[in-house]
Amino acid sequence: DAGITQSPRHKVTETGTPVTLRCHQTENHRYMYWYRQDPGHGLRLIHYSYGVKDTDKGEVSDGYSVSRSKTEDFLLTLESATSSQTSVYFCAINPGNYGYTFGSGTRLTVV
Amino acid sequence: GESVGLHLPTLSVQEGDNSIINCAYSNSASDYFIWYKQESGKGPQFIIDIRSNMDKRQGQRVTVLLNKTVKHLSLQIAATQPGDSAVYFCAETYSGNTPLVFGKGTRLSVIA
Repeated sequence: DAGITQSPRHKVTETGTPVTLRCHQTENHRYMYWYRQDPGHGLRLIHYSYGVKDTDKGEVSDGYSVSRSKTEDFLLTLESATSSQTSVYFCAINPGNYGYTFGSGTRLTVV
Repeated sequence: GESVGLHLPTLSVQEGDNSIINCAYSNSASDYFIWYKQESGKGPQFIIDIRSNMDKRQGQRVTVLLNKTVKHLSLQIAATQPGDSAVYFCAETYSGNTPLVFGKGTRLSVIA
């Protein structure tokens, strides 16, 4: 998607290992978001950021941390991955007209 | 990918017919609503939006209706095409930059 990239696209990791997902934007937007998507639940907000070093929790933040040391990057970390964190993770940016632009997603499998 | 579609309500329509996808939103204070389309393996894509001071908005082949009395949104797609097959989500927000809250989605399947 234009202006926003997620890496990696796919990852398989073992239970108990740390995992970091990266979201990178080229458009200098202030607001960035991490959502997870699971069958039957739609998209649920994990954390979001409203500026460098400014972050807040979402609906399903337990087990996740985030960092935003520069405008273009928003990192999502699973300190100790669990099987319940197997999901598809989407990053989004807010261009300012409320309609978010989403990345292509990261499919994470915790085994 | 495909696993996202499991457990979703499904609407099957014949190609060329009109589709209506419904959404009940949760927060009576919400003042901005968006419909997203998600194709398999991709992120959600913006389709159309509407603010709470309107009850109808039209785009190209799509119309969104808002009924604030019963907290209901609908997305109408005219002359549905195979390329419309996807999962559709409604989302709501209020007071500026409050994060979007998404509904659980509906899978639209177009029968050629």
